[in-house]
Amino acid sequence: SYVLTQPPSVSVAPGKTARIACAGKIIGSKSVHWYQQKPGQAPVLVIYYDSDRPSGIPERFSGSNSGNTATLTISRVEAGDEADYYCQLWDSYSSHYVFGSGTKVTVL
Amino acid sequence: EVKLVESGGGLVKPGGSLRLSCAASGFTFSSYTMNWVRQAPGKGLEWVSSISSSSTYIYYADSVKGRFTISRDYAKNSLYLQMNNLRDEDTAVYYCVREPSEYFQDWGQGTLVTVSS
Repeated sequence: SYVLTQPPSVSVAPGKTARIACAGKIIGSKSVHWYQQKPGQAPVLVIYYDSDRPSGIPERFSGSNSGNTATLTISRVEAGDEADYYCQLWDSYSSHYVFGSGTKVTVL
Repeated sequence: EVKLVESGGGLVKPGGSLRLSCAASGFTFSSYTMNWVRQAPGKGLEWVSSISSSSTYIYYADSVKGRFTISRDYAKNSLYLQMNNLRDEDTAVYYCVREPSEYFQDWGQGTLVTVSS
């Protein structure tokens, strides 16, 4: 089955840029979606179809996808961005949805 | 406003059964694929099952195939997950999720299922 690999943690200072990688075999040929989850809360969609932003999500959140890596970028990081982030895609070969293992973003 | 409200969680012994429900409102229920996604305590997200808008296409994660059954009732705008032969590793918060197309747009608050003797 398709595997998505994320780093367990990323640390970033306020005002700086955080980049969260999501690695998968030829992931650039698939559509990747990203979710933010804060403790005790349900996940929230922050990026869909690689780089589209749902209404209400700040422009500081952006996404890209090419080759074997998709990336979620958070610019001008704020304390409120501290959360777990998950990448996800639909694997048509197995007819399964797949999540990455998640990345904990810590704001220093 | 889209609203997804799960119910039916609780404590059950290994080998037991449980039926989760999800009441949907604020959108045309018959137009969307619906999913169940779970999260074990302290762990990541795991997709469980999906049912297409017309119930034509139904998919399950390998970990639950043959034990769980997803269904929907259009008259009641409700989604269900029948869980049989439950195992310790099925312990998790189960989320009801609306899917426009390959991504999970709206999530319920979840219902906790605990499998323990």
